[in-house]
Amino acid sequence: NAGVTQTPKFRILKIGQSMTLQCAQDMNHNYMYWYRQDPGMGLKLIYYSVGAGITDKGEVPNGYNVSRSTTEDFPLRLELAAPSQTSVYFCASSGGIAGGRSLDYEQYFGPGTRLTVT
Amino acid sequence: AQSVTQLGSHVSVSEGALVLLRCNYSSSVPPYLFWYVQYPNQGLQLLLKYTSAATLVKGINGFEAEFKKSETSFHLTKPSAHMSDAAEYFCAVTGRDFGNEKLTFGTGTRLTIIP
Repeated sequence: NAGVTQTPKFRILKIGQSMTLQCAQDMNHNYMYWYRQDPGMGLKLIYYSVGAGITDKGEVPNGYNVSRSTTEDFPLRLELAAPSQTSVYFCASSGGIAGGRSLDYEQYFGPGTRLTVT
Repeated sequence: AQSVTQLGSHVSVSEGALVLLRCNYSSSVPPYLFWYVQYPNQGLQLLLKYTSAATLVKGINGFEAEFKKSETSFHLTKPSAHMSDAAEYFCAVTGRDFGNEKLTFGTGTRLTIIP
């Protein structure tokens, strides 16, 4: 079990460039999440998904897009990178709720992607 | 809606001393509560969780936390600090029903261990 994997580990972007942060999990989890972590601010939820084909905005979605075509993958897209998007990005997954029955609320985190926009 | 307040962004304790990291929560629904630890340049790892069984929860690495509904608190403790405990610790809360199951994190407490 690899758990939650993220690529790349590090990336430097120029202002206005685009990129996709990849996230994959092999635990057959229903729920997946994207967070950003800024110093002293904790983790802020960007987007989340409760299953393939279903996504919703979190607390700080502006400037990002997501898709969830499979249970395993949940990529995060930055279309026009801005310096304010310099951060560490974490993907996570959890069993969540399925069929009206709660499964597992514990979230499993990937190792993170450190993104710098200059 | 849920929220978490962690008192003290930085805590320093001597090696062998008691560790106490404070967390207070606010939730309109019965909560689940979590403590996560983050070592430098790594992702978050679950230390322990409260899911309405025993109010005193034991986790990994000798940590434990007690859910106190009357005080809306979920403080993290360890009787004797070790150098390897130096890390950042996050408290998090979630509701239990659909639509309230997203985790809300506190801003974190950085724990420093003094030799």
